Amino acid sequence: GAGVSQSPSNKVTEKGKDVELRCDPISGHTALYWYRQSLGQGLEFLIYFQGNSAPDKSGLPSDRFSAERTGGSVSTLTIQRTQQEDSAVYLCASSLHGEANTDTQYFGPGTRLTVL
Amino acid sequence: AQSVTQPDIHITVSEGASLELRCNYSYGATPYLFWYVQSPGQGLQLLLKYFSGDTLVQGIKGFEAEFKRSQSSFNLRKPSVHWSDAAEYFCAVGAGYSSASKIIFGSGTRLSIRP
Repeated sequence: GAGVSQSPSNKVTEKGKDVELRCDPISGHTALYWYRQSLGQGLEFLIYFQGNSAPDKSGLPSDRFSAERTGGSVSTLTIQRTQQEDSAVYLCASSLHGEANTDTQYFGPGTRLTVL
Repeated sequence: AQSVTQPDIHITVSEGASLELRCNYSYGATPYLFWYVQSPGQGLQLLLKYFSGDTLVQGIKGFEAEFKRSQSSFNLRKPSVHWSDAAEYFCAVGAGYSSASKIIFGSGTRLSIRP
């Protein structure tokens, strides 16, 4: 079956513009996660969805960041008024049940965002 | 709060040599521990995970890791590395409660293989 897919694979934008990043999880996976990976850094947790609700959005760095998930499937991460420090690879993962401490998370290839 | 430390930023080993990547965690209760690998241009792939039981965990691609509570460590090992093992390796810890949704990742260790 298909794995987690993300689009676009690369996005270059100008400072101040809004961007939308898309994640298609594995079919049937109830949980979906967004992470950010900056150059030379580990993965930084952003937000977690269980179905369409987000019980943990503690990692969103500012109110410029938001995410939604519809139909228990596709998720969109939106960054408004992008800043240069938003440049990073944004990774999406999904898991079957949403018990992040036990479920295996399957990662997509990521979206590389560059803010000029 | 839980945290993960990978003290080695970059390691180079010769093909066929043994490998050990270090990982230390901080967590008050029994941790849930993971090792992921990220190959260039690829997403992360789970190598192995530890929840309880046998402290020596076998994973894919010939990797294993040993949980040592006394040392707060979960080091990754492989007896003989292959050129295809060159990648970034991330250790991670998850909280032991069902309401905890996030896994905390270390900053990674980049592995290079010398021919």
